[in-house]
Amino acid sequence: GDSVTQTEGPVTVSESESLIINCTYSATSIAYPNLFWYVRYPGEGLQLLLKVITAGQKGSSRGFEATYNKETTSFHLQKASVQESDSAVYYCALGDTNAYKVIFGKGTHLHVLP
Amino acid sequence: AQTIHQWPVAEIKAVGSPLSLGCTIKGKSSPNLYWYWQATGGTLQQLFYSITVGQVESVVQLNLSASRPKDDQFILSTEKLLLSHSGFYLCAWSLGGAGQDTQYFGPGTRLLVL
Repeated sequence: GDSVTQTEGPVTVSESESLIINCTYSATSIAYPNLFWYVRYPGEGLQLLLKVITAGQKGSSRGFEATYNKETTSFHLQKASVQESDSAVYYCALGDTNAYKVIFGKGTHLHVLP
Repeated sequence: AQTIHQWPVAEIKAVGSPLSLGCTIKGKSSPNLYWYWQATGGTLQQLFYSITVGQVESVVQLNLSASRPKDDQFILSTEKLLLSHSGFYLCAWSLGGAGQDTQYFGPGTRLLVL
């Protein structure tokens, strides 16, 4: 079936360290997979961080990057140097073009230490 | 600017009692609407979506129902709550299908069933 698996949290890193949150997907019934990273900062609502709808392309926002890799069915989230303000819960999600269903991962809680 | 409001903010209910959660979107006509649920430590699961007034599609069966009585209103309900209904409920809207378009989420309702 269709599913999303991401790094189990919580993940704790120190400020200025690099970060990778892994996301892999299975899209057996989705013809044209689209991939998203959503984020929930403390005290705020869930919001889009970045999305990529074309395989091989990279999305970026707020210093984060993720590349849609169809061969490895992955969409890992990376940042070269995290800040304390990046502390949040990050969700990887999978959708289908012209469809309304979206499948989310469990979420990864990131703590950035000052 | 578009705003999304959910009510109530939190509820404590008894097993077997009825439930009604609401969601209102202001500043956007004919949005696509969604209900999500997340159990503690669980995955964010899409429950329902609605493309137009009066029409609701079920994604996951959880002994819940949804209705869209007005263009800007989405209601989630059940006549008999189960312990397993506890969790966090999110309403969201999008312009295009959520499978490829950005979703905008409300602040959520936290439900505890005892």
